[in-house]
Amino acid sequence: RKEVEQDPGPFNVPEGATVAFNCTYSNSASQSFFWYRQDCRKEPKLLMSVYSSGNEDGRFTAQLNRASQYISLLIRDSKLSDSATYLCVVKPFAGYSTLTFGKGTMLLVSP
Amino acid sequence: NAGVTQTPKFRILKIGQSMTLQCTQDMNHNYMYWYRQDPGMGLKLIYYSVGAGITDKGEVPNGYNVSRSTTEDFPLRLELAAPSQTSVYFCASSYIETNTEAFFGQGTRLTVV
Repeated sequence: RKEVEQDPGPFNVPEGATVAFNCTYSNSASQSFFWYRQDCRKEPKLLMSVYSSGNEDGRFTAQLNRASQYISLLIRDSKLSDSATYLCVVKPFAGYSTLTFGKGTMLLVSP
Repeated sequence: NAGVTQTPKFRILKIGQSMTLQCTQDMNHNYMYWYRQDPGMGLKLIYYSVGAGITDKGEVPNGYNVSRSTTEDFPLRLELAAPSQTSVYFCASSYIETNTEAFFGQGTRLTVV
């Protein structure tokens, strides 16, 4: 099982739609979870951290399910500007550990 | 606010040439990383550093070397460039604490011909 797995997509949705991405991780001891966004040919940028109780930032909601070892990202009322690749990122443990990136899920929002 | 700065942005190398990709950050971060991203693929960790004088291999270190003589700088050296090293290289930095953001440079697009 790969460390961090994502459906590569692309997810094609119309403006205003709700779309959800899932990501699974293999290390049950993982400590920190993030969603990053990467626009075409640009550097990744943090979209949001994912907390155990779930968290929301405007139209974006992130959930963590430790028992099933997956995290999710829900985007409501999709905008054209949401078109990007969404990277699931996991930090295996506290202290000296690096970030592990999934390959990303591509989202295309059309008018 | 500079953040993480990478140079050069683009480079074409001939097979067998060497070069150094520069990376500097002004946020006093402990951690620094080098990733490569091949077309349509995820980021793969080449090397990382947890502080000045300390470096360690990531997932794909072969063909590369790094050094970390200061907190700010983390150059990546390519020796004997090969076509398989054609990629986009990203440098990143972060604090050591658990739930903190990693900041990325704008990337270096390298082509080896």
